Amino acid sequence: DTEVTQTPKHLVMGMTNKKSLKCEQHMGHRAMYWYKQKAKKPPELMFVYSYEKLSINESVPSRFSPECPNSSLLNLHLHALQPEDSALYLCASSRRRSGDHTDTQYFGPGTRLTVL
Amino acid sequence: GESVGLHLPTLSVQEGDNSIINCAYSNSASDYFIWYKQESGKGPQFIIDIRSNMDKRQGQRVTVLLNKTVKHLSLQIAATQPGDSAVYFCAENMNSGYSTLTFGKGTMLLVSP
Repeated sequence: DTEVTQTPKHLVMGMTNKKSLKCEQHMGHRAMYWYKQKAKKPPELMFVYSYEKLSINESVPSRFSPECPNSSLLNLHLHALQPEDSALYLCASSRRRSGDHTDTQYFGPGTRLTVL
Repeated sequence: GESVGLHLPTLSVQEGDNSIINCAYSNSASDYFIWYKQESGKGPQFIIDIRSNMDKRQGQRVTVLLNKTVKHLSLQIAATQPGDSAVYFCAENMNSGYSTLTFGKGTMLLVSP
């Protein structure tokens, strides 16, 4: 089973709203990722959690706040977003075994976010 | 590296043809490569991978070729079907201690019946 689930599937929010995106995997993976993908573009890495600790933040604005409550869950808290933040937000996970150079990332279906 | 364009490169083929999708990767230190398929409205789906110590790997109807000399990766799809229509991304993983993927700009494959 290589399933990563994400909720909600679609989200429409105003610039003053606070919302959260959720991601879950039960593959025992110890690395989880958030990506942002604009139309007709490749996914862009936002955050990496390794063993529930934030290991990479790709200079993402503070209006995006990640959280990893446990090894199976990853949240992305959204606050005061801008219309240009509208995109597909993808979650991925990988095994993250030490010394493993073939750490395949498996993606969820994404949350389509529209900021009005 | 690849330039950022306004439009995805597109490959149009007939059902039953063989398809070849190409990718130029950027980093000679990258040691692991993955091809993903992304259908409209869905997340990227793993297709096949290859390590840098290999030059060819075959899966079911798909073959990945790696040419490290010219930093080129290709995905061959045999007997292409309408269900293969999607955007295909190559991704490289530079062994930096973390699994961080750098994606190519993608190629749209359109298969007509």
